[in-house]
Amino acid sequence: EDKVVQSPLSLVVHEGDTVTLNCSYEVTNFRSLLWYKQEKKAPTFLFMLTSSGIEKKSGRLSSILDKKELFSILNITATQTGDSAIYLCASNSGGSNYKLTFGKGTLLTVNP
Amino acid sequence: NAGVTQTPKFRILKIGQSMTLQCTQDMNHNYMYWYRQDPGMGLKLIYYSVGAGITDKGEVPNGYNVSRSTTEDFPLRLELAAPSQTSVYFCASSYSRGAPTDTQYFGPGTRLTVL
Repeated sequence: EDKVVQSPLSLVVHEGDTVTLNCSYEVTNFRSLLWYKQEKKAPTFLFMLTSSGIEKKSGRLSSILDKKELFSILNITATQTGDSAIYLCASNSGGSNYKLTFGKGTLLTVNP
Repeated sequence: NAGVTQTPKFRILKIGQSMTLQCTQDMNHNYMYWYRQDPGMGLKLIYYSVGAGITDKGEVPNGYNVSRSTTEDFPLRLELAAPSQTSVYFCASSYSRGAPTDTQYFGPGTRLTVL
């Protein structure tokens, strides 16, 4: 059974701090790993990672994948209150079905 | 371009009642999915479809049914609602070809309470 584990489950920081969110996976026929941000409603796509060691970056957010050690990290620098959200990690197990297995998420709270 | 839309946004059901959650996408995606999200539990896949007329079970299909008669619509049916089905339900869709094939786009969700 595919499994995705995120840590920490929750995190409280102050504005300006840098945070690292972790995601480990055990997936058969691994295809890709995705990060989503979920505020009050639907998850919104952040990154898709398929290759080890290649950093994806968008503004203050960046992510990298290690396919040998089966984990990914999401970094957020100079955090802002608007970064407060649940961050979801999901693995795609490939094949013809494109099913995603989600972790439980990390609840990030950024205080002013 | 509305993306993925879901109706209703909220619903309260009594135990044993039935209802259909509607999901429509206008991106011409072949792949569509239904997830439920319980507090602190992430998203769990209920059913998915790889094209019109083709559906398959996900991780937690019991108590639900789906159909996919068109590319755009993927309704989720709850028969004999139970309190354990209290959750937030998300519909999602993804490209069947091209890049990024793996990105799923989510609807705004339906919050369902069964009393």
